Amino acid sequence: NAGVMQNPRHLVRRRGQEARLRCSPMKGHSHVYWYRQLPEEGLKFMVYLQKENIIDESGMPKERFSAEFPKEGPSILRIQQVVRGDSAAYFCASSPQHSSNQPQHFGDGTRLSIL
Amino acid sequence: GQQVMQIPQYQHVQEGEDFTTYCNSSTTLSNIQWYKQRPGGHPVFLIQLVKSGEVKKQKRLTFQFGEAKKNSSLHITATQTTDVGTYFCAGPAFSGGYNKLIFGAGTRLAVHP
Repeated sequence: NAGVMQNPRHLVRRRGQEARLRCSPMKGHSHVYWYRQLPEEGLKFMVYLQKENIIDESGMPKERFSAEFPKEGPSILRIQQVVRGDSAAYFCASSPQHSSNQPQHFGDGTRLSIL
Repeated sequence: GQQVMQIPQYQHVQEGEDFTTYCNSSTTLSNIQWYKQRPGGHPVFLIQLVKSGEVKKQKRLTFQFGEAKKNSSLHITATQTTDVGTYFCAGPAFSGGYNKLIFGAGTRLAVHP
């Protein structure tokens, strides 16, 4: 039973480039959450998506960041024109249904480094 | 808005010593979850507490949910080097029309052999 799959594990980009982070939820999970974690800090909520819908993007910067979860394929977190401050670990989590009583299953994360 | 606060932020212990991290919410929680993140790893769900005053044990780990359901603790007896990592608590908060899981900032545990 595959867990939450994120790729790439590590991504290096130069300032101004685009970064695309992918997340395939666990089988049977239709709810996806993205978090950002700076070194030695906590998890900061970014966005919550269901298939083809963005439910809550209150934690995502208004500019340069976007997320999608299409009907087919993985969820994508896209960062345009990256800056040094975007360097962080980005974690995706999934759950079978949305409920705050449901545990979230996390992927291994994508470590994004901006040169 | 609702906050979930954890203390301490860091804890250094000698192997064999006990360790406790505390989680406090500004509002009553319907449940509290605990996660562990090893250095360089990802958060892993440990347990969920639902009932007022509930106590659950996992080997050397004891989880407690306060009577008022506004605080929780995780206690590790006789720490081992494998306990190293960051422990997060998480609780629901009603925000944006739904219940969102809010994570505390975590307690980073270092265990010296």
